Amino acid sequence: KNQVEQSPQSLIILEGKNCTLQCNYTVSPFSNLRWYKQDTGRGPVSLTIMTFSENTKSNGRYTATLDADTKQSSLHITASQLSDSASYICVVSARTSYDKVIFGPGTSLSVIP
Amino acid sequence: DAGVTQSPTHLIKTRGQQVTLRCSPKSGHDTVSWYQQALGQGPQFIFQYYEEEERQRGNFPDRFSGHQFPNYSSELNVNALLLGDSALYLCASSDNGLAYEQYFGPGTRLTVT
Repeated sequence: KNQVEQSPQSLIILEGKNCTLQCNYTVSPFSNLRWYKQDTGRGPVSLTIMTFSENTKSNGRYTATLDADTKQSSLHITASQLSDSASYICVVSARTSYDKVIFGPGTSLSVIP
Repeated sequence: DAGVTQSPTHLIKTRGQQVTLRCSPKSGHDTVSWYQQALGQGPQFIFQYYEEEERQRGNFPDRFSGHQFPNYSSELNVNALLLGDSALYLCASSDNGLAYEQYFGPGTRLTVT
């Protein structure tokens, strides 16, 4: 069964600190993995996209890693800011005749002063 | 480029009523997917439209139906509204269902009273 799990469910960190969010998936055949940031009540915004051959991708203070062998991904946030408070969703696509998209439940991040 | 747009932004309906939500995809995209996101949950896939046909469908009842027009815009219709239909409805567009680059709209917040 295609599934995406994320941990932790929620996280509170101090402004300026780093944090790492985890994503484990059982999706086959794997097409790509994306991390999205979703502010409360808004649509998700893409942070990074990785295919099978990519094991790291950066977008400013966000760095995603992918281990296709263990089917794990992480999103590392450096020098967190208050505006990083949001839900971070891991999305994995399975390639059939067209992509089937499986969403993780998200990690709720709160950055406090 | 306006990106993905959705209307209306907010909507309040009464149980038993019907509602229509609208989505215009990002320029150059021909595939539209709809998601339901309950408060505190990840998006749940409703269905996807490509070439004016429903190509994929999630685990939603027939009360949820849709349409795609020749200009690739799309509508989501929900009949016989239930209180549990209250959610943020997200539209995402992509190129021929390739989820490598899937852009989300800002969402429509539906409240059923």
